Amino acid sequence: EAGVFQSPRYKIIEKKQPVAFWCNPISGHNTLYWYLQNLGQGPELLIRYENEEAVDDSQLPKDRFSAERLKGVDSTLKIQPAELGDSAVYLCASSGASQSSYNEQFFGPGTRLTVL
Amino acid sequence: RKEVEQDPGPFNVPEGATVAFNCTYSNSASQSFFWYRQDCRKEPKLLMSVYSSGNEDGRFTAQLNRASQYISLLIRDSKLSDSATYLCVVKGGTGGFKTIFGAGTRLFVKA
Repeated sequence: EAGVFQSPRYKIIEKKQPVAFWCNPISGHNTLYWYLQNLGQGPELLIRYENEEAVDDSQLPKDRFSAERLKGVDSTLKIQPAELGDSAVYLCASSGASQSSYNEQFFGPGTRLTVL
Repeated sequence: RKEVEQDPGPFNVPEGATVAFNCTYSNSASQSFFWYRQDCRKEPKLLMSVYSSGNEDGRFTAQLNRASQYISLLIRDSKLSDSATYLCVVKGGTGGFKTIFGAGTRLFVKA
């Protein structure tokens, strides 16, 4: 079944360790989003890609977070080094061409990160 | 003030009840509006888009009031399966297609 795939689903690491998340969007979707969601909160945008270009990374903490979307398909989000406060669910979403403001975003199942 | 604000609830209602949620947004230049549903420990999924003329999908009705900068969601004849968190989403504005989620309103429908 077509959908947004993310891996791993769960990750437990110690603080100061690096961690990486992977996302495979729905085929043909040009726009890819990474969100962070804390318990009891809505998703908060970290970065948005249009094809391989990061068009909005204003909320990405660039001192420790990085992302890439080589070839405009799959994407990885990395944290190095992780801090206790990074424990959250990291959601990837994709949508079709952004010309329509009513494009639906399809979310992956998320990666639940626990930093000890 | 948050850009998108929702009453966190929880709303506890019996089956068959009608329940309404409101959401306010601060950016008057916002262009598009949505309600997403998120089940516990699951990803958000689109429930419905919200158009200026208002729209209905079965038991669900969404409305937009641009003058007062709020959107609403009405659920009629609540079912147990409607129990979830409902996220208000606002997109667009001076920053382009920036998408902002509210913190969500929790709904519990009880038998």
